[in-house]
Amino acid sequence: DQQVKQNSPSLSVQEGRISILNCDYTNSMFDYFLWYKKYPAEGPTFLISISSIKDKNEDGRFTVFLNKSAKHLSLHIVPSQPGDSAVYFCAASAGNNRKLIWGLGTSLAVNP
Amino acid sequence: DARVTQTPRHKVTEMGQEVTMRCQPILGHNTVFWYRQTMMQGLELLAYFRNRAPLDDSGMPKDRFSAEMPDATLATLKIQPSEPRDSAVYFCASGFVGGAEAFFGQGTRLTVV
Repeated sequence: DQQVKQNSPSLSVQEGRISILNCDYTNSMFDYFLWYKKYPAEGPTFLISISSIKDKNEDGRFTVFLNKSAKHLSLHIVPSQPGDSAVYFCAASAGNNRKLIWGLGTSLAVNP
Repeated sequence: DARVTQTPRHKVTEMGQEVTMRCQPILGHNTVFWYRQTMMQGLELLAYFRNRAPLDDSGMPKDRFSAEMPDATLATLKIQPSEPRDSAVYFCASGFVGGAEAFFGQGTRLTVV
């Protein structure tokens, strides 16, 4: 049973437009959420995170929004660039354990 | 440029053989994770070490998999005997206690034929 779900396996966006990647979770004990980006033949790299005490965190072109009541978070990339084309993973953890539970990823293609 | 180093990058082996994958975590990091990535399951946590002690290996098939940290600079994941269903990309990651961000190596692509 997937506790972290990324329901869109793929997304295609035009360069310069906004990319919105979505993630839903089922475990209300999750208190920390992260987004990772993965290029082919490389390991995932950390992108941005958010604690459950916040509803928004911004870092340059990347913003993560958290809606705790809906158990939903989203990653916004604006403006999207071709170099953003990658697989994006949503992950969550609970408490001090910091064991991450991962979604299956969304493959983003940003077209020039 | 600090990074997690995994060896080998690729491994092809015959069913029944022992496979050992190695990981050098980033110096100073005190948590180490082993993950397996498959198309169907995504990223699965196999084992998690904190200060070299195993904290959680519930994701690992105990009968054939073993994970150890002989010292702070080396983590190993062994499969004996290997089976075709073990074919996957195995990632090692390291981080700090209290920090959820993990830094990943480039992975070992294992093919068991």
